[in-house]
Amino acid sequence: GIQVEQSPPDLILQEGANSTLRCNFSDSVNNLQWFHQNPWGQLINLFYIPSGTKQNGRLSATTVATERYSLLYISSSQTTDSGVYFCAVSYSGNTPLVFGKGTRLSVIA
Amino acid sequence: ETGVTQSPTHLIKTRGQQVTLRCSSQSGHNTVSWYQQALGQGPQFIFQYYREEENGRGNFPPRFSGLQFPNYSSELNVNALELDDSALYLCASSLPEGQGLRGYTFGSGTRLTVV
Repeated sequence: GIQVEQSPPDLILQEGANSTLRCNFSDSVNNLQWFHQNPWGQLINLFYIPSGTKQNGRLSATTVATERYSLLYISSSQTTDSGVYFCAVSYSGNTPLVFGKGTRLSVIA
Repeated sequence: ETGVTQSPTHLIKTRGQQVTLRCSSQSGHNTVSWYQQALGQGPQFIFQYYREEENGRGNFPPRFSGLQFPNYSSELNVNALELDDSALYLCASSLPEGQGLRGYTFGSGTRLTVV
């Protein structure tokens, strides 16, 4: 099955700093999503990005499908950005998502 | 448009008991998936339903079973609960490819504690 590796596993930032989270996957996929899991456990969909680049406010993501990796950029981080960020991939829209182990981000004031 | 809703939010059960968790999919989504997330881990796929039929299953024993109803809502049933079943259970809904797939939408989860 697909293997998903995320790095770094843990990240501590000062408020206002920028960061880059990485996701490597082992096979060609047609679905890739980035999620933020809040302290209450809900997975918030940040990006549906099987390829290309997208931006949403202070967040942006880039997936290079041919090289099997995706990057999530967080700029001007805020304490509310704290939580766990997951990358998840699947072969297609009807096949199950395979998650990485996540990056735990702590933003301190 | 309504999101994915799950109930209950928290639950405590005794080892050996049975539990039913419920999920209402996002409006118009006809595919429902269930995931188990142990503490400190990423979610693990349990099974998926499309048009009331199971069409994919992860590495979980048969005591994990499910249903999908005509309105696309779903249930996850776990029999003979074990301590290791303690986890956050997440439900996700989606549209199949060819119907405007934009990824999976997750509910807030049910936190199950088995004592």
